[in-house]
Amino acid sequence: DGGITQSPKYLFRKEGQNVTLSCEQNLNHDAMYWYRQDPGQGLRLIYYSQIVNDFQKGDIAEGYSVSREKKESFPLTVTSAQKNPTAFYLCASRSEVVMNTEAFFGQGTRLTVV
Amino acid sequence: GQNIDQPTEMTATEGAIVQINCTYQTSGFNGLFWYQQHAGEAPTFLSYNVLDGLEEKGRFSSFLSRSKGYSYLLLKELQMKDSASYLCALNDYKLSFGAGTTVTVRA
Repeated sequence: DGGITQSPKYLFRKEGQNVTLSCEQNLNHDAMYWYRQDPGQGLRLIYYSQIVNDFQKGDIAEGYSVSREKKESFPLTVTSAQKNPTAFYLCASRSEVVMNTEAFFGQGTRLTVV
Repeated sequence: GQNIDQPTEMTATEGAIVQINCTYQTSGFNGLFWYQQHAGEAPTFLSYNVLDGLEEKGRFSSFLSRSKGYSYLLLKELQMKDSASYLCALNDYKLSFGAGTTVTVRA
């Protein structure tokens, strides 16, 4: 079955450690996105990528880094520079940025930093 | 950002109709999406408007007016399972979301 997979579902890390969240899709989608969601709030864009080997900062990129070496994969690293990393992280993908296609979401990773 | 505004919360009775508004301040977008998100889960696609007017999909309908910078999602014959957050999103190169409206359906 085609889809978008995030792992792990729950992640605990100590303060000051970097952590990488995985996002893989087998939908052959060009564009991929990372969002952060805090309790009771909407989705805030961290990074997005429209094509392999290229990505752009979103609205809250500070303290995060990404790579897009393969079309299927768009991992997100939460660095120690991120002040409040505890949140629900969602990855999404869609086939074309310009055309009228909806984005599909992974099931999310809930990161807790202690 | 695109200043996308939605009411924070709405409450309605089972079987009723609820209208969730979404206003925005940009002209550079291809269309407007509506997503549903249950607590702790991923958003799922509900509806999409490219042109002005009403799009109907079963119990859900969505309306767009580009000249007024306004959209709404209409939920008819509300069911308990419709209790969720509803997010509007602009289809631009960033795919920008509003903060979401939490709808609570009461018996």
